This record gives sequence, structure tokens and C-alpha cells, in this order.
Amino acid sequence: AQKVTQAQTEISVVEKEDVTLDCVYETRDTTYYLFWYKQPPSGELVFLIRRNSFDEQNEISGRYSWNFQKSTSSFNFTITASQVVDSAVYFCALSDSTDDKIIFGKGTRLHILP
Amino acid sequence: NAGVTQTPKFQVLKTGQSMTLQCAQDMNHEYMSWYRQDPGMGLRLIHYSVGAGITDQGEVPNGYNVSRSTTEDFPLRLLSAAPSQTSVYFCASSYSRGGFGEAFFGQGTRLTVV
Repeated sequence: AQKVTQAQTEISVVEKEDVTLDCVYETRDTTYYLFWYKQPPSGELVFLIRRNSFDEQNEISGRYSWNFQKSTSSFNFTITASQVVDSAVYFCALSDSTDDKIIFGKGTRLHILP
Repeated sequence: NAGVTQTPKFQVLKTGQSMTLQCAQDMNHEYMSWYRQDPGMGLRLIHYSVGAGITDQGEVPNGYNVSRSTTEDFPLRLLSAAPSQTSVYFCASSYSRGGFGEAFFGQGTRLTVV
């Protein structure tokens, strides 16, 4: 069965610090997709990244970077030089080829303090 | 493009009442799903559909019905509302099954059952 664990319920950092959000997943499948979504205080869900299981290259997009490690079943998300606008709830999600479900973790609430 | 449209945005129901949460997308997406978001629980999948005429259960389907008569619409029905169904509901659509495409989310419906 699929499972996504985001062990960090809430994190607070001071602006300009780097912060890493952890995501550990479980699946028996060899073909799967991993996602990160952001939910700012306004409540909408914003897609950030999708990564398939065959692509272990790390991804960097501006201040955001993602570290995918199949050996540890982790897909961690790092924000460099954090800004107050990064304050949000961040969700990691998983979909494998067993069925068509996209399963989310419980989310990590990130507070960036000015 | 309107994307994914959910109505209503807010709703208060009395225990035992029924209602339908509407979800429509104009992106010709095959895959649609409903999630509920509760504090500390993340996003939990209620029902999903991989195309018109096909629906399946997610993690928490009890108390909810769905149907998919057209590609565009995926309504969620509460037949007899209970206080445990107080939540924020999100509809999502994707151009492909499961993880093959990113999910686009509606703005959410905040439902309170008293």
C-alpha cells in the first residue's frame, strides 16, 4: 500500500535561513511519481514539482531544490534563503502504477519569521 | 481558462441534511478526484474517477457518493450529513491517470455540519 510520511508537523525558521522539509514514502511498485504542493494561507493548493521513480536527478528551481533518494525512499524539499512568502503548508504526495490514486502526506506547516 | 471550479465556497448544513458539492473542469481532463482536508490529517482521498462512467473509492469513501456522467463534472454527494463531515473539500483534475499528470485543484469548499 502507498504511504507518505511527513514527520515534521511544524517548522519555524528566521528569514534567510535554509530549511529542509522531509518526505518519506512507501510503495511496492517500481514505477511511481512523487509530488510537492504548497498551500499558502489563502488556502489554494499550488503544484510545485513532479518526479518519476526513474529520474533520481536532483532538481533546482530558483531557491527551491529537491533531493530524491530511492535508497532511503525520500524526496526532500529545501528552500534556500527563505522568505516570509514561503510561509505555507507543504504537502508531499505519491502515486504508483498499482492504481490511480494520489496519496498525500499530512503536510508540514512552515513559518518564516521576519 | 477557468480551470477547476468548485461550488459553493462555503456551506452550513444541519445533521441529516443532504447536499451536493459541485466540481467542474474545462481542461478536458480524464482524471478527477475529491479530497477532504482536516487539521493534522492532510489531504485524504474520498473518491476518484479515471473517466466518464468510471469511479472508485479512495481512503475515506464512507458517507459520500459520486458519479461521473460527463468528462467535465464530478459532483460529490452527502446523503445524510454528519458533524464528522465538517471539513474543507477539494476537487482536483489531471490530464492523465494517477501520477502521469499534475493535479489542478479547485479553491475548496468549507463545509460545516451542525
